[in-house]
Amino acid sequence: SQTIHQWPATLVQPVGSPLSLECTVEGTSNPNLYWYRQAAGRGLQLLFYSVGIGQISSEVPQNLSASRPQDRQFILSSKKLLLSDSGFYLCAWSQGLAGGNQETQYFGPGTRLLVL
Amino acid sequence: GNSVTQMEGPVTLSEEAFLTINCTYTATGYPSLFWYVQYPGEGLQLLLKATKADDKGSNKGFEATYRKETTSFHLEKGSVQVSDSAVYFCALRGGYNKLIFGAGTRLAVHP
Repeated sequence: SQTIHQWPATLVQPVGSPLSLECTVEGTSNPNLYWYRQAAGRGLQLLFYSVGIGQISSEVPQNLSASRPQDRQFILSSKKLLLSDSGFYLCAWSQGLAGGNQETQYFGPGTRLLVL
Repeated sequence: GNSVTQMEGPVTLSEEAFLTINCTYTATGYPSLFWYVQYPGEGLQLLLKATKADDKGSNKGFEATYRKETTSFHLEKGSVQVSDSAVYFCALRGGYNKLIFGAGTRLAVHP
């Protein structure tokens, strides 16, 4: 069966510090991968998605970047965190083009980031 | 563009009450529609989905019917439990399989 992992679960970082959040998927190949952010009291916003290694699409301009160095690894980064980067970050995966049902996305447990 | 509008919460109910959470959408064509649930401190889980007009998605006693006439996908449950307390997100599938979410509706069920 497929599983998705995110770490760390919780992170407190000072303003101006770098960030690296990691997401890995097991039990599937060539998945589509997604990063979402949920700010306090707000809904989910898609930040990045990827349909393959090294391919990243950005949905909104921001202080963050994403990378996909391996098929089942998706990393969210920042060089200098802002207060407004605080939130709950969720990684998700879905089947890729060749995988059949692409519609359903499966979410990881999330990382709660607090920037002080 | 595509968008999803949900009723604002929080919704507070007593156990065994009837639940409706309204969801309407704006989209080109007829996209697949979803309800996701987020329990306290956890990530999102798919609750149910419908892929075409008049389809009814159902799971764990929850139901939602894809209504193209009213562009709606309202979530209903006949008798809620305390364990249903969570945030519920309505979503539609956009291009490149991206999900477009509503703002979420918090449900609190009291004994």
